[in-house]
Amino acid sequence: DAGVIQSPRHEVTEMGQEVTLRCKPISGHDYLFWYRQTMMRGLELLIYFNNNVPIDDSGMPEDRFSAKMPNASFSTLKIQPSEPRDSAVYFCASSLDRNIQYFGAGTRLSVL
Amino acid sequence: SQQGEEDPQALSIQEGENATMNCSYKTSINNLQWYRQNSGRGLVHLILIRSNEREKHSGRLRVTLDTSKKSSSLLITASRAADTASYFCATDTNAGNMLTFGGGTRLMVKP
Repeated sequence: DAGVIQSPRHEVTEMGQEVTLRCKPISGHDYLFWYRQTMMRGLELLIYFNNNVPIDDSGMPEDRFSAKMPNASFSTLKIQPSEPRDSAVYFCASSLDRNIQYFGAGTRLSVL
Repeated sequence: SQQGEEDPQALSIQEGENATMNCSYKTSINNLQWYRQNSGRGLVHLILIRSNEREKHSGRLRVTLDTSKKSSSLLITASRAADTASYFCATDTNAGNMLTFGGGTRLMVKP
């Protein structure tokens, strides 16, 4: 298996633009997690899905953030409109059970 | 505040020396995990220790868990330059199917 695949690896956009981050989890994994990592706040869980259903989105910063998982092999995290404070590395991770999580390489987002 | 807090925040050692990182947490756990993150990469799972275990080994890694003190340590023996990375502890509690990560320890191993 290729592991968790995220795209794009880098995204530079201007404030106010819509940003869509994509994730393909490991086949067969039931859980999918979206994290945000910054120097100031560390690694924060934004939302996670179980069997394509959002379970906990309490970490989503505000209504500008939304996440979907239309099927077991694809998820998106959307920011609309984007702001400079959204600049961070966004990670997707998947898990077969509640124990070990497998992370993608991340998307480095810069909002100018 | 974070469930897990690593100590020290940064550690610099010479190749061949041992590196010890500590993690403290606040609430009861099901298990505690350690992850490594190389610069510009995602986190990679290293080892998991369950709440009823006290010590676990994996290659050059040794993890201990003291539930009475709510703390864990990660020991890397005979360190190599390739061990340079950030190391995170993550706790699995009964609060849903998710992990709570600490702030990490940045380890630098000088050749």
